[in-house]
Amino acid sequence: KNQVEQSPQSLIILEGKNCTLQCNYTVSPFSNLRWYKQDTGRGPVSLTIMTFSENTKSNGRYTATLDADTKQSSLHITASQLSDSASYICVVSDAGNNRKLIWGLGTSLAVNP
Amino acid sequence: DAGITQSPRHKVTETGTPVTLRCHQTENHRYMYWYRQDPGHGLRLIHYSYGVKDTDKGEVSDGYSVSRSKTEDFLLTLESATSSQTSVYFCAISESPVTETQYFGPGTRLLVL
Repeated sequence: KNQVEQSPQSLIILEGKNCTLQCNYTVSPFSNLRWYKQDTGRGPVSLTIMTFSENTKSNGRYTATLDADTKQSSLHITASQLSDSASYICVVSDAGNNRKLIWGLGTSLAVNP
Repeated sequence: DAGITQSPRHKVTETGTPVTLRCHQTENHRYMYWYRQDPGHGLRLIHYSYGVKDTDKGEVSDGYSVSRSKTEDFLLTLESATSSQTSVYFCAISESPVTETQYFGPGTRLLVL
């Protein structure tokens, strides 16, 4: 069964600190990998989208990396802000199943002052 | 929320009653999607549309129907609501399903008693 697993499940950091969120997937072959940010009570917002040939993609203080060989991705947040408190969701597009999107359960990040 | 509105934003209904949720977009995107989000599950696709009057089932379509008579509107109907359909429902849009980002609406919180 194709799966997307994220770790940690939740994380608490102090404002200004960096953090890294992990995503491991078993989807194969895959078309692309996406990271979304979801604030409480709102819809997900796209941060990055990477194809299998891309290793790194940045969006401001957010940097996503992808290792297609080990089927791992990470999302690094630099100099965290209170507004970064949210759930971060990894999504993998299944190229072998009509590019169906397989959603992870997300990592809940709390940034404290 | 990228020119996407959902109505109603909150609804409480009773088991057995029909319910219709509306998604309206001003972006003229071809693809529209309905998802549900529940604790312990990643977002799950209910139905999607790839054009006016063109719709297809997602992974959890039982008990739901959709209609799209105009580019900008995508309706989700629960024929006879059940308690298992208590959830948060998100509408999303995209220009293509393959490489393009999906933009999400603010969500509808539905409680079926």
